[in-house]
Amino acid sequence: KAGVTQTPRYLIKTRGQQVTLSCSPISGHRSVSWYQQTPGQGLQFLFEYFSETQRNKGNFPGRFSGRQFSNSRSEMNVSTLELGDSALYLCASREDRLYNEQFFGPGTRLTVL
Amino acid sequence: GEDVEQSLFLSVREGDSSVINCTYTDSSSTYLYWYKQEPGAGLQLLTYIFSNMDMKQDQRLTVLLNKKDKHLSLRIADTQTGDSAIYFCAESFSNRDDKIIFGKGTRLHILP
Repeated sequence: KAGVTQTPRYLIKTRGQQVTLSCSPISGHRSVSWYQQTPGQGLQFLFEYFSETQRNKGNFPGRFSGRQFSNSRSEMNVSTLELGDSALYLCASREDRLYNEQFFGPGTRLTVL
Repeated sequence: GEDVEQSLFLSVREGDSSVINCTYTDSSSTYLYWYKQEPGAGLQLLTYIFSNMDMKQDQRLTVLLNKKDKHLSLRIADTQTGDSAIYFCAESFSNRDDKIIFGKGTRLHILP
């Protein structure tokens, strides 16, 4: 099976712009989670989607939003970018069963200038 | 509340044992995990332990769970340069839509 893929791998934007990141989960996985990783804050949970519905949510402002499509692919959108949004954004997918191993993609490195 | 705490940095000499510690606040978790992140890559599951177990051993890795103290540790025996990475502890909750909480990660640095 192919792993979790994320596009693009690298992105440079300026303050005030918006950005959309994409994640394709492993085939058959219906859950997709998004995380933000920075050197100062470490790994922080953004949200999780399961069968096109947001199931869990972290403590991020409303500028961060996401969605999931019927094929389980997910997108994450950040509007009105701030310098502090510069980070590695990781996507993870998993099967919906009791033992929950998350399979992570390589991430999208977003730089906001 | 739900919180998972780890120290941010650990230095260990090559050949010694590394012990990475994690504390958590919510003891109702079902599974606890250790993930590893190598430079430029996403996280990868190293090992996991069911919450009613005390210990799990897998080759050079030993996981200890102390539910009373809400403490999880990962011991890496005979630490090698390839073990240099960031290690994340996490817990999942089957009674909360399988929510998973990660710690911020511990960067393991190997000294020659």
